[in-house]
Amino acid sequence: EIVLTQSPGTLSLSPGERATLSCRASQSVSSNYLAWYQQKPGRAPRLLIYDASNRATGIPDRFSGSGSGTDFTLTISRLEPEDFAVYYCQQYGNSPFGTFGQGTKVEIK
Amino acid sequence: EVQLLESGGGLVPPGGSLRLSCASSRFTFNTFAMSWVRQAPGKGLEWVSSISGFGGTISYSDSVRGRFTISRDNSKNTLYLQMNSLRADDTAVYFCAQGRVGLTFPFDSWGQGTLVSVSS
Repeated sequence: EIVLTQSPGTLSLSPGERATLSCRASQSVSSNYLAWYQQKPGRAPRLLIYDASNRATGIPDRFSGSGSGTDFTLTISRLEPEDFAVYYCQQYGNSPFGTFGQGTKVEIK
Repeated sequence: EVQLLESGGGLVPPGGSLRLSCASSRFTFNTFAMSWVRQAPGKGLEWVSSISGFGGTISYSDSVRGRFTISRDNSKNTLYLQMNSLRADDTAVYFCAQGRVGLTFPFDSWGQGTLVSVSS
């Protein structure tokens, strides 16, 4: 079973700074079928990126995804106040499909 | 934009049963795969189960297989999750989620969640 490991667990940054979040898979993710979600407290997750690098509808271009195989990255180019949240990666290329990483919290420094 | 509204959560003793529902506002509900995802208090997201648009393809996580049953009634635009033999570690907020057009994953629309608490 594929395991997704996100790092760091917590990222402390200031508004305007660049955030780089990592998601590493225990085996290659088929077809780079990896997504990123944002979740704020008490809210449902929101899809940001799908297929490793495609922005979902309505997502600002400060969010970008990259990577392939086992190493994937979510980059937020300049943090806005509303970007402080928890971010999850999810793979859907390998069975069992749909598994999530444990999350990275981006907090205000 | 689709609206998904879960209901049916509550407090249930260990070994009990509960049925969750998720009503969709989407007219073309039967063209979208649907899933359940849960989140234990203070924890991360866990995929639970998925069902294709017409119900022909179903999958479950190992943690719920044999105890939970996913189904849908396309005439009512509603997704269900029948949960039996509930355990304390099933305590979580349960979200329903919709796949992108023609796909099961990833999830581009989510409900607000319904809380299931398993405790005596």
